[in-house]
Amino acid sequence: NAGVTQTPKFQVLKTGQSMTLQCAQDMNHNSMYWYRQDPGMGLRLIYYSASEGTTDKGEVPNGYNVSRLNKREFSLRLESAAPSQTSVYFCASSVYGLASYNEQFFGPGTRLTVL
Amino acid sequence: KQEVTQIPAALSVPEGENLVLNCSFTDSAIYNLQWFRQDPGKGLTSLLLIQSSQREQTSGRLNASLDKSSGRSTLYIAASQPGDSATYLCASASGGSYIPTFGRGTSLIVHP
Repeated sequence: NAGVTQTPKFQVLKTGQSMTLQCAQDMNHNSMYWYRQDPGMGLRLIYYSASEGTTDKGEVPNGYNVSRLNKREFSLRLESAAPSQTSVYFCASSVYGLASYNEQFFGPGTRLTVL
Repeated sequence: KQEVTQIPAALSVPEGENLVLNCSFTDSAIYNLQWFRQDPGKGLTSLLLIQSSQREQTSGRLNASLDKSSGRSTLYIAASQPGDSATYLCASASGGSYIPTFGRGTSLIVHP
């Protein structure tokens, strides 16, 4: 049971390049999330998927797109990377439907630098 | 919109001390409150989740309490050890949304 896995662990991009961050969970969770973590800003939600087939914007969605490929996988795409997207990106998952017990589990993160 | 605050932002204590980390939130109609630990360069690890109907949860040397009326949660760490050094974050889901709002964390250093 690997929990939540993310690839790659590190990435350096040039401004304007595109890339996709991959996330997978093996806990049969319904909901998945993408966050970014920046110094002094805390964790901010980019997009989330309440269940397979649905996606919704979070607090900071501009410049990103997501795909919920199946129940296990949720990818985050940067179409044209900008230096402001330099950050650490975390994927998380949780059981949805029992809101009082919606415990989140996080992946190890992807450290992205955009030059 | 829920706001979650953690004070202090940083804390340094000697080994063996019992300590309390604080988390306050503005919307008392919460569904739950979750405490996480984050080691440098790592992801978040879930420590404890308290549902709105509960007052506290315990795991080993950790005890988390919830007081909805005052908008506060505390994480109590007994007999602290250098291995407890990390950033501790709390997060609360409320107001019709199951998606939690995170505090910015308390960075804890336990020195030998």
